[in-house]
Amino acid sequence: DTGVSQDPRHKITKRGQNVTFRCDPISEHNRLYWYRQTLGQGPEFLTYFQNEAQLEKSRLLSDRFSAERPKGSFSTLEIQRTEQGDSAMYLCASSIPRDGINEQFFGPGTRLTVL
Amino acid sequence: AQSVTQLDSHVSVSEGTPVLLRCNYSSSYSPSLFWYVQHPNKGLQLLLKYTSAATLVKGINGFEAEFKKSETSFHLTKPSAHMSDAAEYFCVVSEAQAGTALIFGKGTTLSVSS
Repeated sequence: DTGVSQDPRHKITKRGQNVTFRCDPISEHNRLYWYRQTLGQGPEFLTYFQNEAQLEKSRLLSDRFSAERPKGSFSTLEIQRTEQGDSAMYLCASSIPRDGINEQFFGPGTRLTVL
Repeated sequence: AQSVTQLDSHVSVSEGTPVLLRCNYSSSYSPSLFWYVQHPNKGLQLLLKYTSAATLVKGINGFEAEFKKSETSFHLTKPSAHMSDAAEYFCVVSEAQAGTALIFGKGTTLSVSS
């Protein structure tokens, strides 16, 4: 399978714990995105990388959230001191713009439940 | 600022009847518009995209959408619904000049009855 993969698919944690998610993009894609989707809502943009550089962050990305893409391939999203409000589906997407079109391909997501 | 409004949170149709999912957008520049579908426990899948080449866009599984600039609309249609079309549908806007983030609507749940 050459699509976007995410690990783990599900994570249950207690409030105050740290969690880390991983995303492996489609191999030739230079752009990688993180989104968050809560129940009954559409996905909301969190942050974006071009190669290893983090170029854009949403105001939704509080200081407790940090994302990295150290070698321009896979990415990690860490949430420190989790809160119940962090419970959501975390989606990763990747793309390589062609002809001015930036079609993003999504992974299956990591569902986080904070107890 | 760009935004998307999906006018119906839930649409119910019978199998074999037409589907219409409504979407209005707001954009300061010439937007790219997309429809994504999300089946339960599956990832988001692109149905179709508008990028200023043609106003009537055909996508996968018999879906199509028409870009109407004067009405700022991008409604999704299908002539005949199938049971497998039952899913959550998202209208999405993106502006190159405003960054690379996709802006999603809140979604429309499509139910198909036999």
